[in-house]
Amino acid sequence: EAGVAQSPRYKIIEKRQSVAFWCNPISGHATLYWYQQILGQGPKLLIQFQNNGVVDDSQLPKDRFSAERLKGVDSTLKIQPAKLEDSAVYLCASSLQGTYNEQFFGPGTRLTVL
Amino acid sequence: KQEVTQIPAALSVPEGENLVLNCSFTDSAIYNLQWFRQDPGKGLTSLLLIQSSQREQTSGRLNASLDKSSGRSTLYIAASQPGDSATYLCAVIAGNNRKLIWGLGTSLAVNP
Repeated sequence: EAGVAQSPRYKIIEKRQSVAFWCNPISGHATLYWYQQILGQGPKLLIQFQNNGVVDDSQLPKDRFSAERLKGVDSTLKIQPAKLEDSAVYLCASSLQGTYNEQFFGPGTRLTVL
Repeated sequence: KQEVTQIPAALSVPEGENLVLNCSFTDSAIYNLQWFRQDPGKGLTSLLLIQSSQREQTSGRLNASLDKSSGRSTLYIAASQPGDSATYLCAVIAGNNRKLIWGLGTSLAVNP
């Protein structure tokens, strides 16, 4: 069974530039999550999708971050414009149906903002 | 407010030792608890998921136990190997909160 796929693995940009991350969840998983993990901290949930609808985006900085999950499968997370404090690893995860199921994570995208 | 604590923050052991990692949570009304492994610069690998009605789960050399009443879970690693070196994180989902609440992890080094 293929796992959660993410790209790119690494990205270096300058502040005020834009960046986009892509995630393909495990086939058949209805729930998709984007997390931000800053070095030395646990992951912070940015947004949760159930199929193509948003369940929770309470911690998403909506002035600069946006995410979509068209057709309820792949998802993209965008940052526009980036700030220095956005430097982190962005993790995508999926679960079969809702938060109560086991979450499976992708390899993450390490973003460095200079 | 649910808080998750992991002790110790770092652990270094010689190869072959059996070891225990600890995870404690403040609100016993959890739905489940999940243990993850994270290698440097990489994503998270799910190791074990324990539902609130369960007392333990086993996978290979790993055994995780859950004691809701005392707010604790332990991850037991038998016959540790250098390849077990990684950061181990636990996370809980509380009964009414749908987000995973994370500990800060235990950084494990198994020395050959």
